[in-house]
Amino acid sequence: SQQGEEDPQALSIQEGENATMNCSYKTSINNLQWYRQNSGRGLVHLILIRSNEREKHSGRLRVTLDTSKKSSSLLITASRAADTASYFCATAFTSGTYKYIFGTGTRLKVLA
Amino acid sequence: NAGVTQTPKFQVLKTGQSMTLQCAQDMNHEYMSWYRQDPGMGLRLIHYSVGAGITDQGEVPNGYNVSRSTTEDFPLRLLSAAPSQTSVYFCASSYVGDQSSYNSPLHFGNGTRLTVT
Repeated sequence: SQQGEEDPQALSIQEGENATMNCSYKTSINNLQWYRQNSGRGLVHLILIRSNEREKHSGRLRVTLDTSKKSSSLLITASRAADTASYFCATAFTSGTYKYIFGTGTRLKVLA
Repeated sequence: NAGVTQTPKFQVLKTGQSMTLQCAQDMNHEYMSWYRQDPGMGLRLIHYSVGAGITDQGEVPNGYNVSRSTTEDFPLRLLSAAPSQTSVYFCASSYVGDQSSYNSPLHFGNGTRLTVT
């Protein structure tokens, strides 16, 4: 399977702390995206990083990409209870097949 | 602007029955796709389409059919439902751009929860 792996599978932190989750993938990519899923809802796009970028910021989100290690990390700073959700990485491959492949997700719980 | 609309929200089928999950988008997106989400498995790609009349298989296509007769609609057909197809199904769409830089985010519907008994 080309599916990515994310770790940790679950993460519980206190409000105000930072949360870091990691994603690894197996083949060359065009870009990598992070999504959030609130319980029982569809996924919402957070941020996209291209294969020629190493770091990207959006508000309290910071994403890094290391193509040599085939890995990415998502950092959420100063977390809030509303950040409680599952987070998924998705990769778009350079094979030109338009397949977006998702990782297994990290369940984040932010305690108030 | 409704975005991506999936119907029904919930469905219960008996083994062997067939049904169609509907997906419609009003953003003029060329790319549409179907995923299933099972506990601990993340999202797995079933089928996708890059435009009307063009479809292709994803990671787990067996037991499912799709067609794309219009830009807006991308229905998913279960031919003969099996308990292994109990899952939450998500439809997603995006712009395509050129093939070397499909850098558009996916827009998701809210899912269809399917139970096969």
